Amino acid sequence: DVKVTQSSRYLVKRTGEKVFLECVQDMDHENMFWYRQDPGLGLRLIYFSYDVKMKEKGDIPEGYSVSREKKERFSLILESASTNQTSMYLCASSPFNAGYTFGSGTRLTVV
Amino acid sequence: SQQGEEDPQALSIQEGENATMNCSYKTSINNLQWYRQNSGRGLVHLILIRSNEREKHSGRLRVTLDTSKKSSSLLITASRAADTASYFCATDAWTGANNLFFGTGTRLTVIP
Repeated sequence: DVKVTQSSRYLVKRTGEKVFLECVQDMDHENMFWYRQDPGLGLRLIYFSYDVKMKEKGDIPEGYSVSREKKERFSLILESASTNQTSMYLCASSPFNAGYTFGSGTRLTVV
Repeated sequence: SQQGEEDPQALSIQEGENATMNCSYKTSINNLQWYRQNSGRGLVHLILIRSNEREKHSGRLRVTLDTSKKSSSLLITASRAADTASYFCATDAWTGANNLFFGTGTRLTVIP
């Protein structure tokens, strides 16, 4: 069964900490994505990547960065966590022009 | 914004009834997709319909697309309690990029 695995289901971090969210896919997909999901706002795209070492900003990249050193892994980095980054973070991968496979999500709380 | 909008925001039906959810969007698309999300989990891809298609079926799901009205509908027939979830439509960018824009979803509750 194809999979997108996010490293943590729940995470609690302190304001100002550097936070790493890891995502690994085993489907050899070119495309990988990071979204955040907040009540009433739906899913918003943070960053995406079409290839190794390649990244593109989504709608809300401020306060985030990403890394894609290998095709199967796409990491989201919160450089200095803030309380307004408390959210559900969803990673997804896809081949071109096809449906996404999502991970189970990481619920991040910044205190 | 290219974000789709689902209607209604919430829907409650009895088991065995049909459920219809609608999606409207603003810009030209290559394809439109529907996803399901159980509470607190990731999204699951249900169906993709391309801009040159008008209707698509998958099991108890039927999706229609009207590009002239920039709208789509998802019909779930003979609903079951296990269909209780949030349903999202997502549209891509006409530019050919593969990133999707999601709506805020319809919360479906199927009462046993």
